[in-house]
Amino acid sequence: QQQVKQSPQSLIVQKGGISIINCAYENTAFDYFPWYQQFPGKGPALLIAIRPDVSEKKEGRFTISFNKSAKQFSLHIMDSQPGDSATYFCAASKGQGAQKLVFGQGTRLTINP
Amino acid sequence: EAGVVQSPRYKIIEKKQPVAFWCNPISGHNTLYWYRQNLGQGPELLIRYENEEAVDDSQLPKDRFSAERLKGVDSTLKIQPAELGDSAVYLCASSLTGGQFFGPGTRLTVL
Repeated sequence: QQQVKQSPQSLIVQKGGISIINCAYENTAFDYFPWYQQFPGKGPALLIAIRPDVSEKKEGRFTISFNKSAKQFSLHIMDSQPGDSATYFCAASKGQGAQKLVFGQGTRLTINP
Repeated sequence: EAGVVQSPRYKIIEKKQPVAFWCNPISGHNTLYWYRQNLGQGPELLIRYENEEAVDDSQLPKDRFSAERLKGVDSTLKIQPAELGDSAVYLCASSLTGGQFFGPGTRLTVL
C-alpha cells in the first residue's frame, strides 16, 4: 500500500518560473511532512518541513502548502533556477525525530535555462 | 560539522557473494537508519537504531540481511548471500531530535 503518493513523476519548468510538486497521504496519524532534494550520486538532503498545525511554511524560494482536510501538501519553488534541477521527494512520519519516514516516489525536476 | 559518512561508495559483486556497508553518523546523533533506494524510487527503511538497540527492523529481510551498531556509533549492514534484486543504493541516515540527515549512499550492483 502506497501511503504517500507524489506527482508529477517528472516536471520541466523554464528558468524563473514556479515549480509545483504535489503529495497526498493516507495515514491521518502522520504529523511531520518534510521535503528532500536529491542530486545524482548524492543522498537526499532535507529542504524544508512542515507540521499540520500550520497551512504554509516559507524558506527563501521554497514554500510548503498544507491542506489537512484534503490530506495533501505541496512544494512550490519560486523563481526556479537551473541549479534546482534535481529529484524531489516528499515524505511523512508520525513525529519529527526518530521516526520512520515514508517517502513518495519522487519527482525529477528540470529547469531549462 | 561532518555529515554522515558511508563506505564504500560503490560495490560490484556476483550473486551469492557477501557484502558489507559501513556508516558513521553525525557526531552525537543517537538514532541511525538504513534505507534502500531502488532506481527511480524513494528510500525505504530497512532498520532503525536507537543507540545500540534495533527498534524497528520490520522491513529488514532477515534471512539474508543483518545489521549491527556496536557502541551506538558506527553501523554495518551486511547481505549474505546477495541476490540480483539487491542491486540498489543503500543509504544511511542519522538524527537527534529533528530531521534525518542522509549520507551519500553505497551503490550496490549484483551481477
